[in-house]
Amino acid sequence: QVQLVQSGAEVKKPGASVKVSCKASGYTLTGYYMHWVRQAPGQGLEWMGWINPNSGGTNYAQKFRDRVTMARDTSISTAYMELTRLRSDDTAVYYCAREITYFDSSGYTTRYFDLWGRGTLVTVSS
Amino acid sequence: QSALTQPASVSGSPGQSITISCTGTSNDVGGYNYVSWFQQLPGKAPKLVIFDVRNRPSGVSSRFSGSKSGNTASLTISGLQAEDEADYYCNSYSSSSSWVFGGGTKLTVL
Repeated sequence: QVQLVQSGAEVKKPGASVKVSCKASGYTLTGYYMHWVRQAPGQGLEWMGWINPNSGGTNYAQKFRDRVTMARDTSISTAYMELTRLRSDDTAVYYCAREITYFDSSGYTTRYFDLWGRGTLVTVSS
Repeated sequence: QSALTQPASVSGSPGQSITISCTGTSNDVGGYNYVSWFQQLPGKAPKLVIFDVRNRPSGVSSRFSGSKSGNTASLTISGLQAEDEADYYCNSYSSSSSWVFGGGTKLTVL
């Protein structure tokens, strides 16, 4: 079954770091970009960045550029998102999402997020 | 990187049609045909309902349709059903290989 399995909920103190994992099941991790998206309580979706699991290349949203690191371990088909210097407003559900990207010689292109993990609640509280 | 602009809420009666707009700029919605729409039920992960402006994934009802004009994309749900009540988010590829979401729209089926 094709799915993304995320790690469990975390409670952290302000200033600490959190590392969330996302295991790809039923497909090859390196075949697709992986994105991280977060959602604060009662708020909308916020794109954080992506990792190319094949090369390890990353691209982060400007807002998180100095605090986030996305990585992967291809041997266990797992992507990671680490957020440092946590604040109370980092309390959110963090999702990983797979990107489908396709370009062919005829000019046909497609890009979208087709598969999401169930989310990991990160609570930041003193 | 500002969020795309969506109405906070829309509503409609069963059987009616509603349209949710998503306004961006020429750097995102207007510049690329990689606009998606997601449906999110309470406590659940987002579910893709439209990709590449107007394409429906397998298994998504034909009552869902998408379009784009200039910097504004739209999601239309026809023949509204109670099960359509959810939050809806647009999403677009943006310049510098980044992505951006809309602020979300709460759909209420009266």
